[in-house]
Amino acid sequence: EKVMTQSPATLSVSPGERATLSCRASQSVSNNLAWYQLKPGQAPRLLIYGASTRATGIPVRFSGSGSGTEFTLTISSLQSEDFAVYYCQQYNNWPPEFGQGTKVDIK
Amino acid sequence: EVQLVESGGGLVQPGGSLRLSCAASGFTFTSYWMNWVRQAPGKGLEWVANIKQDGSEKYYVDSVKGRFTISRDNAKNSVHLQLNSLRAEDTAVYYCASSLGGGYDPFDYWGQGTLVTVSS
Repeated sequence: EKVMTQSPATLSVSPGERATLSCRASQSVSNNLAWYQLKPGQAPRLLIYGASTRATGIPVRFSGSGSGTEFTLTISSLQSEDFAVYYCQQYNNWPPEFGQGTKVDIK
Repeated sequence: EVQLVESGGGLVQPGGSLRLSCAASGFTFTSYWMNWVRQAPGKGLEWVANIKQDGSEKYYVDSVKGRFTISRDNAKNSVHLQLNSLRAEDTAVYYCASSLGGGYDPFDYWGQGTLVTVSS
């Protein structure tokens, strides 16, 4: 069974601080890894694709890294609008699969 | 501006049916695969189904095969999901999302979702 595992489940961060979110794949997904931001009542937003490419309009404080099985999303200086739930998703293997999410909340 | 607007959710009894719709605008609909992704209460995201640009290919997650049917109307820039034989575990917010390469590309545009509640 292919599994995407995110950690931590919850990350408490103060505004202006750096947040580092992890995503691990049970088998290699090359660099076919995306990150999404979900806020209640809003459409999910694609942040990063290809493990490290920012989607259109995404601020430079969001960055992605990694390949194979280990990936990281970094938010360099958290803004109030960044408190949300973040999901990684692999699209290398069928079917596309999401992690269980990391909630970033205010410390 | 890209917009995906879902509709059709609601409360339905186990074994019942619903038809979800997603109206697209602001992008070239016929260039994209369309997907449905769901999020059960307190759970993560789960890809459910997708359909190719011309409707010639359709794929489903195992748990909905034989119960859900995806379709699209390119003349109306819309995609639909027919949900039959609904179960409590199908309770979720259902999102439509676009992708260029089916399940082998990221989901670049999403709607705000429509809530399906299966309960007696």
